[in-house]
Amino acid sequence: SQKIEQNSEALNIQEGKTATLTCNYTNYSPAYLQWYRQDPGRGPVFLLLIRENEKEKRKERLKVTFDTTLKQSLFHITASQPADSATYLCALDIHNNNDMRFGAGTRLTVKP
Amino acid sequence: NAGVTQTPKFRVLKTGQSMTLLCAQDMNHEYMYWYRQDPGMGLRLIHYSVGEGTTAKGEVPDGYNVSRLKKQNFLLGLESAAPSQTSVYFCASSYERGDTDTQYFGPGTRLTVL
Repeated sequence: SQKIEQNSEALNIQEGKTATLTCNYTNYSPAYLQWYRQDPGRGPVFLLLIRENEKEKRKERLKVTFDTTLKQSLFHITASQPADSATYLCALDIHNNNDMRFGAGTRLTVKP
Repeated sequence: NAGVTQTPKFRVLKTGQSMTLLCAQDMNHEYMYWYRQDPGMGLRLIHYSVGEGTTAKGEVPDGYNVSRLKKQNFLLGLESAAPSQTSVYFCASSYERGDTDTQYFGPGTRLTVL
C-alpha cells in the first residue's frame, strides 16, 4: 500500500542545534516533493520544493534533500530558534494527477 | 491581497444538517482544493478544481459536493452531516500544477458534527 511517514510525531531540540526531519514514502514515484510549515490554528505555508532530479535545495537556514532510491527526503533547519517551533509537513506530487499526498507532520519544539 | 479566505471559521452542526463552506482567493489562481485535516492523518484531498466550472474528486470525496461557478470561489457542501465529518477543513489554491506548483492555504474551518 502507499504510505508517507514522517519520522516522529514530535521532535524536541535545543536552540542553536540543527533539526532534522524525515519523510519516507513507499509505492509512490513523485516528480517532486514539498515541505510546508503549519502553526497551531493556521493553514500550512509553503517552504521548499525539490524535484526528483535534484539532490539538495537550500533556502536561508533550510535545506532539503531528496533520495529517490531510498524514497526519502530530509529537511534540515540549521541554527534553530524557538520561532522555528511548528509542525512541518511533507507533500508528494502524484504523477498524472492533480493531487498531492501529505504526511501527518512532525511537531518541532525548539527550546531556548 | 487577502490571499485565501474561508468562511466560517467555526461551525457546530447536528447530524443530518447541511452546510456550505466558502473559499475565496484573490490571486487569480486556476486551481483550487478542499482538504480535511484529522489528528495523525495529515491533510487529505476531498475535491479539487482545475478552473472555473470544473470539479473533480480527490482522495476522500464521499459525503461532500463542490461547485466552482466563479474562478475566485470554491464551495464545499455537506448535504447531510455525519459525526465522521468532524474535522478541520482547509481550502488551497495554486496558479498551476507541476514542479512550480505552490499551494496557498486558507486559515481553516473547524467543523464539529454532534
